Amino acid sequence: DGGITQSPKYLFRKEGQNVTLSCEQNLNHDAMYWYRQDPGQGLRLIYYSQIVNDFQKGDIAEGYSVSREKKESFPLTVTSAQKNPTAFYLCASSMGQTFNYGYTFGSGTRLTVV
Amino acid sequence: SQELEQSPQSLIVQEGKNLTINCTSSKTLYGLYWYKQKYGEGLIFLMMLQKGGEEKSHEKITAKLDEKKQQSSLHITASQPSHAGIYLCGADIGETSGSRLTFGEGTQLTVNP
Repeated sequence: DGGITQSPKYLFRKEGQNVTLSCEQNLNHDAMYWYRQDPGQGLRLIYYSQIVNDFQKGDIAEGYSVSREKKESFPLTVTSAQKNPTAFYLCASSMGQTFNYGYTFGSGTRLTVV
Repeated sequence: SQELEQSPQSLIVQEGKNLTINCTSSKTLYGLYWYKQKYGEGLIFLMMLQKGGEEKSHEKITAKLDEKKQQSSLHITASQPSHAGIYLCGADIGETSGSRLTFGEGTQLTVNP
C-alpha cells in the first residue's frame, strides 16, 4: 500500500546536537512538506519541495535544513541553532497544485530535547 | 494574526449532540480541506471543498463552503465518542495558492458518553 513513512516515532536529542528526521513516500507525489505542531498553534510550515533538487523556506525555517535528492525522500535536519526544537513534526506530500490536491500525512515524529 | 481562524478552540459535548466548527480565512480561498487528528498521530483527510456553496457529507459529518464569507463550517450530527479528536482546516489561500496549505490552530473535540 502506498503511503508516507516517518521515522523514528520518538526521538530524544541532547542540547547542541543535530538530529535528522526521516520522511519517505511511495505515492509518486512531486511535492513534499515539513510542518511543526505545537499545542494550541496548529501546523506551521518549515520547508517544502515541489520538485527534486529544489526546496523553499516556509514560515519557520530558521534552525532547520532539508535536502531533496530523490523524489521519494525529504529528510529534515534539526540543527543546534533551533532554540526550541521540542515539538511534533509532520511530513506530508501532495500530487500537485494545492488548490486541487490536498496532503497525505505521515504519522509524525515527536522530538524531545533532554 | 492568523490567516486561518478556527472556532471554537475546544468543544466538549455530550454523546448524541450536534456541533459545528468554523474556519474563516482572511485571504481569498482557492481550496479548503478538513482533517482529523488523534493525539500524537498524523492527520486523516475528511473532505475537500472548492466552490462557493459546495457541501459534502460523509457519514454524520457535513462540510460547507461559503465563498463570500471566505468561511467553511464542519457539522457533526449525533456525535459519538469516535468523533473525538482534533479537527483542523487547511486551505490554499492568497498569494501562496497552488504551492502549499495554511492551517488553522485546530479544534479539540471531546465527546462524553
